[in-house]
Amino acid sequence: KQEVTQIPAALSVPEGENLVLNCSFTDSAIYNLQWFRQDPGKGLTSLLLIQSSQREQTSGRLNASLDKSSGRSTLYIAASQPGDSATYLCAVRRNTDKLIFGTGTRLQVFP
Amino acid sequence: DAGVTQSPTHLIKTRGQQVTLRCSPKSGHDTVSWYQQALGQGPQFIFQYYEEEERQRGNFPDRFSGHQFPNYSSELNVNALLLGDSALYLCASSAVPGADEKLFFGSGTQLSVL
Repeated sequence: KQEVTQIPAALSVPEGENLVLNCSFTDSAIYNLQWFRQDPGKGLTSLLLIQSSQREQTSGRLNASLDKSSGRSTLYIAASQPGDSATYLCAVRRNTDKLIFGTGTRLQVFP
Repeated sequence: DAGVTQSPTHLIKTRGQQVTLRCSPKSGHDTVSWYQQALGQGPQFIFQYYEEEERQRGNFPDRFSGHQFPNYSSELNVNALLLGDSALYLCASSAVPGADEKLFFGSGTQLSVL
């Protein structure tokens, strides 16, 4: 059974810091991995999608890497801003259509 | 271009009642999935609809049922509500089931069961 774990569960940093959020999964036979952002009480916004054949994806200040063999992904946020405050979720997809989510990292960036 | 829309945004029910949640997928998408997110947890897959049929189902009881209409919109029905059904219910859409595409999520329906 696939399990997804995210560390840390919560993170509070001053504005301007570079951050690394971690995601690990127990079964390396994944189709792709996706990082989402969720604001309190809201839906999910897709940030980055990494196919199993890829090593990383970048969008603006965000960079996500994937090491499928070790069951790990990291989300790197450069020069963090207060507007980055949210919960960040990673999710893996196998050869089915459902996503299996981690429990998220709650990020707070203070001025 | 409208994204995924869900209604209602909030709902309060009492134990034993029945509820229907609605979802319209993003324009151009024909596959709809439903997820349940309890407070402080990641979303859990309920089921997926494509071509008006349930294609996959997660570990949820038969009290959870759904439907997809010819215009690709979808409903989630929950019967005999329990306190534990209180959660944020999320709908997600994609263009083709199993494709290498991002899932697009709606803002969710917050269900409270008293």
